[in-house]
Amino acid sequence: KAGVTQTPRYLIKTRGQQVTLSCSPISGHRSVSWYQQTPGQGLQFLFEYFSETQRNKGNFPGRFSGRQFSNSRSEMNVSTLELGDSALYLCASSLDGTSEKLFFGSGTQLSVL
Amino acid sequence: SQQGEEDPQALSIQEGENATMNCSYKTSINNLQWYRQNSGRGLVHLILIRSNEREKHSGRLRVTLDTSKKSSSLLITASRAADTASYFCATDRAAGNKLTFGGGTRVLVKP
Repeated sequence: KAGVTQTPRYLIKTRGQQVTLSCSPISGHRSVSWYQQTPGQGLQFLFEYFSETQRNKGNFPGRFSGRQFSNSRSEMNVSTLELGDSALYLCASSLDGTSEKLFFGSGTQLSVL
Repeated sequence: SQQGEEDPQALSIQEGENATMNCSYKTSINNLQWYRQNSGRGLVHLILIRSNEREKHSGRLRVTLDTSKKSSSLLITASRAADTASYFCATDRAAGNKLTFGGGTRVLVKP
């Protein structure tokens, strides 16, 4: 089985732009969650989707949004980028919709200049 | 905000030695998990211990959980160079995939 696939691997944007990141979960996994990792704040939960519904949301501004499609693939969008949005964005999927064993992708490294 | 604090922040050992790292958390949990991350890549699940368990083993890994002290430890025995990575504890309090991660321990295993 293929693992969790995130695209693109690297992304460079400028302040004020918007960006869309993509995540394809492991086949059969219905839950996708997103995390932001920065040296200063560590790993922080963004949101989680299960069967196209957002079940949980972290403490991030409304500029961060996401969605999940019927094939469980997920996208997250960040609008009006700020320098502080530079981070590694990680997607994780789980088979049974719990958080008891998450499978992570390799992440998208976003640099905002 | 981070639920867990990990100690130490960094650890350097020789191959063959044991590595121990600790995690403390603030609120009650359903379970606690440990993940490994190599060089800014994705995280890999290592082991899960439930709130009603005190100790768990998986290969060279041993995890303990003390809910009265809100702390956990991860022991890697007979470490190898390939164990060089950052190790994170993560707590699960509620339904849904919302893990709260600690700050991580960077482990360097020297050959």
